[in-house]
Amino acid sequence: DADVTQTPRNRITKTGKRIMLECSQTKGHDRMYWYRQDPGLGLRLIYYSFDVKDINKGEISDGYSVSRQAQAKFSLSLESAIPNQTALYFCATSKTGVASGANVLTFGAGSRLTVL
Amino acid sequence: AQSVTQLDSQVPVFEEAPVELRCNYSSSVSVYLFWYVQYPNQGLQLLLKYLSGSTLVKGINGFEAEFNKSQTSFHLRKPSVHISDTAEYFCAVSDLTGGSYIPTFGRGTSLIVHP
Repeated sequence: DADVTQTPRNRITKTGKRIMLECSQTKGHDRMYWYRQDPGLGLRLIYYSFDVKDINKGEISDGYSVSRQAQAKFSLSLESAIPNQTALYFCATSKTGVASGANVLTFGAGSRLTVL
Repeated sequence: AQSVTQLDSQVPVFEEAPVELRCNYSSSVSVYLFWYVQYPNQGLQLLLKYLSGSTLVKGINGFEAEFNKSQTSFHLRKPSVHISDTAEYFCAVSDLTGGSYIPTFGRGTSLIVHP
């Protein structure tokens, strides 16, 4: 099984619909992130969480919300999807600290969302 | 805020030729530097990282990168590429000021290896 699992892997929806992308991890990492990937724009940070009670906005949080249900689960919601939210979404995790393995991101396989 | 520039959006190269993918970042006193690779239809995986110590860092699959503090660069190199190296490569920088260590990614470089 993958260390970071994203569901669904692919989703097609219509403008105005509510969508939830889910992420779960077995790494035991305390930090979790949601990134969006668009061709030519790289990865942009949407939200991040350092622990269950900590939620922070990233570079492009407008139109998105998140929930950290447990240390291992971090979901991303689009309350009312619009076409320019069509993208590949990645969940990632990392552990806190200054040790060699800290600050290295472990990524899920991605969730491709198409908003018509 | 930290910014990361990958100077080439696409790099075509023939198999067994050397390659260099360039990455520059905005100035900062202390940074962690990373290269990630994304194979088609997959998530990103770590290729190599610089946290401290030797400025020449070796990673997986024969890749290496050199940290140049004065030029704020972290270019990725491989002396002889293989078809299987065809992928998207992302440079990422974590600014250590403020303590959050959140990485900022460049826009990516598509490495295309031709037979």
